[in-house]
Amino acid sequence: DTGVSQDPRHKITKRGQNVTFRCDPISEHNRLYWYRQTLGQGPEFLTYFQNEAQLEKSRLLSDRFSAERPKGSFSTLEIQRTEQGDSAMYLCASSPPGDYGYTFGSGTRLTVV
Amino acid sequence: RKEVEQDPGPFNVPEGATVAFNCTYSNSASQSFFWYRQDCRKEPKLLMSVYSSGNEDGRFTAQLNRASQYISLLIRDSKLSDSATYLCVVNNAGKSTFGDGTTLTVKP
Repeated sequence: DTGVSQDPRHKITKRGQNVTFRCDPISEHNRLYWYRQTLGQGPEFLTYFQNEAQLEKSRLLSDRFSAERPKGSFSTLEIQRTEQGDSAMYLCASSPPGDYGYTFGSGTRLTVV
Repeated sequence: RKEVEQDPGPFNVPEGATVAFNCTYSNSASQSFFWYRQDCRKEPKLLMSVYSSGNEDGRFTAQLNRASQYISLLIRDSKLSDSATYLCVVNNAGKSTFGDGTTLTVKP
C-alpha cells in the first residue's frame, strides 16, 4: 500500500507528558502537511513542508509544538508538556508538486488525561 | 469571521433527492478549490476539484463563482452511501483551509 501512514493510531497520555507522532507520506509527494481536528470542526492547519523545508507554521501553534522532516521523507510532530486542550485528531497529508488536493493518513487520536 | 464558511446542516434528504451545498470564502487571492468528503471518525478524502467553468463527476457537480467568492456542490440522485460530511476547501500558496463541513444524511 502506498498511502499516507500515521503512527500510532491512538495515544493516551497524562497531562504534562511529551508525545511524538510519525507520518510517512506517499513517496512521490514532496509536500507534507499536519492538521488538527476536533469534533464538529474542520481540519485546522498546523504546519507544512516542501521536501525538508518547513515553509509555514500556524500562529495558533504554541512553542510546545514542533515538527521535523529531516530527509524530506517521513515527518514527526512533537507536543511537549501536553495539556487537555491538545486532545484532538492529528492528521497528516501529502501532495505532489502542483495544485492538487491532499491524500490524508488515518490520523493519530490523542487523548490527554 | 472564518476564512471558509459552510452551513453545518444537517441536511436530511430521501434517497433520489437532489441536494446542494454552498460555501463562501473570504480570501480573494485564493487559487484553487476542492470538495472533500469525510465519513464519521475517518480521514477526509478528496471528492473533486472545483473550477470556474464548472465540473462534473457522475452525480456530482461543482461550481466556483470567483466574483461572489462562493463554491457549490450539487449531488443528484442521492444514495444512502452519500451520507457524510462534505468539507469545502480553499487553497492559497500551497496551504489549504478547510470549512467546518456540511453534514448530509440520506434516508431510505
